[in-house]
Order: sequence, then C-alpha cells, then structure tokens
Amino acid sequence: AQSVTQPDIHITVSEGASLELRCNYSYGATPYLFWYVQSPGQGLQLLLKYFSGDTLVQGIKGFEAEFKRSQSSFNLRKPSVHWSDAAEYFCAVVGLYNHGGKLIFGQGTELSVKP
Amino acid sequence: IAGITQAPTSQILAAGRRMTLRCTQDMRHNAMYWYRQDLGLGLRLIHYSNTAGTTGKGEVPDGYSVSRANTDDFPLTLASAVPSQTSVYFCASSDGGGDTGELFFGEGSRLTVL
Repeated sequence: AQSVTQPDIHITVSEGASLELRCNYSYGATPYLFWYVQSPGQGLQLLLKYFSGDTLVQGIKGFEAEFKRSQSSFNLRKPSVHWSDAAEYFCAVVGLYNHGGKLIFGQGTELSVKP
Repeated sequence: IAGITQAPTSQILAAGRRMTLRCTQDMRHNAMYWYRQDLGLGLRLIHYSNTAGTTGKGEVPDGYSVSRANTDDFPLTLASAVPSQTSVYFCASSDGGGDTGELFFGEGSRLTVL
C-alpha cells in the first residue's frame, strides 16, 4: 500500500535559520506529492505540489520542495524561517492504488521557531 | 469568502449518542471529504464524495456515515458515538473527483466523546 512518512515529529529552528522538513513516500510510479501547512486552530492550506516535470517546485510563503526519485523523498525547504512559520506541516501523496485516489497524509511535523 | 463552513466547532458528547457534523461549501466543488486528525497519526480519510449523489469509503469508515444530497452539503454522522471517535474532524473539498488538485479545508470540528 502507498504510504508517506515524516520522520521528524517536532523540529525547532531559530528565526532566520534555514529549514528542511523530511518526507519519504512509498510508491511504484511517479507520485503526486503535496505539502500542506496547518496553523494552530486552523484547517490545512496547500503550500506546493508536484506532479511531473521540474523536480524543484516553488510554493507559497517562500517554501520550496525537491522531488528525488532515487531517495523516494520530497523534502520541504525554506532558506530563512520567520516566526510566523511556526505550524504543523503535512506531506501527502495521492493514493492511486488505494483510498479511491484520495490524499494519504503523513503523520505531520510540528515546527517551532525560536526568537 | 466563506469557503468551507463546519459546525459545530466543538462538542462534548456522551457515548452512545448520535451526532451529525455539518459541512457546507460555497465553491461549487464536485468532490468533498471528511478526515479525522489524531496526534501522531496525521489525517485519515473517513469518507469522500466525488460528486453529488455518490459517496465512498476511505481509510477509517467504520462507525461513520455520510450523504451527499446536493453539491454544497456533506454531513458526517456518528450513529452511536464511542470514545475512540474523540478527534478533530476536518471537511474538505476539491474541484474534481481525483486528488490532482488542491484541497480546501474547513477549520475543523473538535469532538470529545465521554
């Protein structure tokens, strides 16, 4: 079955530092991959998505992610973190072989930002 | 701009009681979804609907039912609530039946079953 794993439950970075959140997926073919962000008490918002083509995708709020087929990864990055980036981040993959083609989410990574 | 509206925002419920979580969207999206969010488990799909009049089971459908009488509304019903259904429930919609597009989420309904 398809799955997505976020190895880090919680990450703390200093404001202005760079950020990388890890995501690994299991899938046979080229997956459809997403990163969503959830601010406290809110629903999820799409940051970026990858379907095909250029493996480095740009998203909103200065985020980017790189698809690496050899590593089955789709890590999220930001060069300089702002305090407002503190939130929970979810990686997701479209479950084409199960779940009726619906999104399968990772466990989430909570990001804290130190001043 | 409303987007997805969920009600109630929070509810405490006795075990065995029936509960319906309401979800309404004003974007005329074809597809709608219900997820539950639990610490350490991320979001898990309960039920979905690709278009009005059709529904499908997700990853964790047991104990829940849905209906899709029209495009805008997608209520989730717990026929007889149990404590393991304590969770935060999110309704979402997308323009299209498949998940190649963006999901728009409501702000969630926090349900506690005692």
